[in-house]
Amino acid sequence: GAVVSQHPSWVICKSGTSVKIECRSLDFQATTMFWYRQFPKQSLMLMATSNEGSKATYEQGVEKDKFLINHASLTLSTLTVTSAHPEDSSFYICSASLRVLGDTQYFGPGTRLTVL
Amino acid sequence: TQLLEQSPQFLSIQEGENLTVYCNSSSVFSSLQWYRQEPGEGPVLLVTVVTGGEVKKLKRLTFQFGDARKDSSLHITAAQPGDTGLYLCAGASGTYKYIFGTGTRLKVLA
Repeated sequence: GAVVSQHPSWVICKSGTSVKIECRSLDFQATTMFWYRQFPKQSLMLMATSNEGSKATYEQGVEKDKFLINHASLTLSTLTVTSAHPEDSSFYICSASLRVLGDTQYFGPGTRLTVL
Repeated sequence: TQLLEQSPQFLSIQEGENLTVYCNSSSVFSSLQWYRQEPGEGPVLLVTVVTGGEVKKLKRLTFQFGDARKDSSLHITAAQPGDTGLYLCAGASGTYKYIFGTGTRLKVLA
């Protein structure tokens, strides 16, 4: 149980276009979803926390207009990278948690974004 | 800003050797988790520790949470090539948000 999926697993896009990444909790309803960014050979950096039906809380230094997060249901959160540039190329990982299960976060497999 | 420093950053050892990875902070955490991540995949949870001084064992892996809940260690006995990966600690400070450590990249040579 507690499986989280991400789609797509990888995407290549041209500079200036927008890319949407989906994060789904497949067998549980996630109270909270988290979005992380990971550069090669580095750790995970938390970008934002989203709760279903409310606005996401962004970490300091993360542009909310650039990284749009929507948590429309208890099983789906989306991250849209708007007007992507090469420096946005990274590995984006989401996680989901259900508070009645404790603080455990269940991670998705990640999405590799390459902006040309 | 809460920071979690891991040491060493990189470790390359021979199969059968023992190793310890450290996770240190000046902040107190309500709980701390350890993950292993393989290239191109999401992190996989290994253990959660919540009580100061707590020790948990998972086969050849031993995890300890410091008495003051500011630090933790991961000890691997008789490392195997399958243990190769990026080890990450992550601390929670009372919210449901986790801050990840800087990471330790382990390579175990056969």
